[in-house]
Amino acid sequence: AQSVTQPDIHITVSEGASLELRCNYSYGATPYLFWYVQSPGQGLQLLLKYFSGDTLVQGIKGFEAEFKRSQSSFNLRKPSVHWSDAAEYFCAVGASWGKFQFGAGTQVVVTP
Amino acid sequence: GAVVSQHPSRVICKSGTSVKIECRSLDFQATTMFWYRQFPKQSLMLMATSNEGSKATYEQGVEKDKFLINHASLTLSTLTVTSAHPEDSSFYICSAPKGSGQGGNEQFFGPGTRLTVL
Repeated sequence: AQSVTQPDIHITVSEGASLELRCNYSYGATPYLFWYVQSPGQGLQLLLKYFSGDTLVQGIKGFEAEFKRSQSSFNLRKPSVHWSDAAEYFCAVGASWGKFQFGAGTQVVVTP
Repeated sequence: GAVVSQHPSRVICKSGTSVKIECRSLDFQATTMFWYRQFPKQSLMLMATSNEGSKATYEQGVEKDKFLINHASLTLSTLTVTSAHPEDSSFYICSAPKGSGQGGNEQFFGPGTRLTVL
């Protein structure tokens, strides 16, 4: 069975500092991996995705993620956060038929 | 990118009534759509898979008679919450995959519908 773990429920980071959000997955085959961001009361916006190929994936808003098969991880990073990055971030693993399993989410708070 | 819409964005209803939520793929066809439910400060939980031309597939623990799903066309799926109760209050989100097969199943999510049952 597939599962996704986001170990950090809540992260506080200063504006301009770097950010890393952790994601570990369990999946029987080659996973399709995604990071989504959700602002309060809003739907999900795709930040980036990994299907195959280069294990370092670039996304929107300056985010990147690295797929590490040996560690079953797909951590999200941003070198310098902006106040507008405060939101809930979800890691997800998808099957070829499009059914997603989401992690519990990480709430990011950005302080001045 | 592809667009998925939901209507209404917010709905308040009385306990015991039924509420219909629409999910539309605006610029692509989707033979499959997914319905998720999100409680406050929690993750999205898959409720069911909506299949055009056939019955929906429900996840374990989801009452199919309470959450009726109809995939009326290749661009429209509806979720009807029947005899709603306050515990059904939640944020309902639909998604539709565009493309198929390996490497092509990007999901597009609707903006969500906030249901409040009084």
